[in-house]
Amino acid sequence: GESVGLHLPTLSVQEGDNSIINCAYSNSASDYFIWYKQESGKGPQFIIDIRSNMDKRQGQRVTVLLNKTVKHLSLQIAATQPGDSAVYFCAENGDNDMRFGAGTRLTVKP
Amino acid sequence: DGGITQSPKYLFRKEGQNVTLSCEQNLNHDAMYWYRQDPGQGLRLIYYSQIVNDFQKGDIAEGYSVSREKKESFPLTVTSAQKNPTAFYLCASSRAGARANYGYTFGSGTRLTVV
Repeated sequence: GESVGLHLPTLSVQEGDNSIINCAYSNSASDYFIWYKQESGKGPQFIIDIRSNMDKRQGQRVTVLLNKTVKHLSLQIAATQPGDSAVYFCAENGDNDMRFGAGTRLTVKP
Repeated sequence: DGGITQSPKYLFRKEGQNVTLSCEQNLNHDAMYWYRQDPGQGLRLIYYSQIVNDFQKGDIAEGYSVSREKKESFPLTVTSAQKNPTAFYLCASSRAGARANYGYTFGSGTRLTVV
């Protein structure tokens, strides 16, 4: 899972399997959450977002689940592909900016 | 195409030197942000600006300065007072709101190295 810390959690999956990346957020007042994907040497790219009035949102091959009770967010990637290999960040909104976790490195094995 | 452009992609700084990182956006976004990213860590906020001619310090503003003279531009200067400037710097922009309720668009980053 992901948390703000000094090491980068890693997840290794086989191509074609489903991936689940977890995130524990810190502020119970946060009401908007985003998952970003960052490839090596590049800026983060928006994947999917969710607001606190929802507990699930689906995109193309991705699903975000939000559990406000335990302040937990997850990103599910279906049929993981080699191009999905990257670092994935969750972000929660604050008063003036988004707050980012340390990220999880996803490696897809062919 | 609308987007956000950072330059240069790589930058080398000598000890005691100030350097300026460029960030330009044509998305008509009011808010712009500078983040620093170190290996194995998340993004830490340096400065942000919600409107032209106004900006606020983030969590790690010491040793950095910014300006926001135009809506499209938010340059970051890394001064000699920043003792450990080697990092990956990311600029982002978004629509402004009472809270951070809009997703960011990020630039491709500038990797700064002290030589």
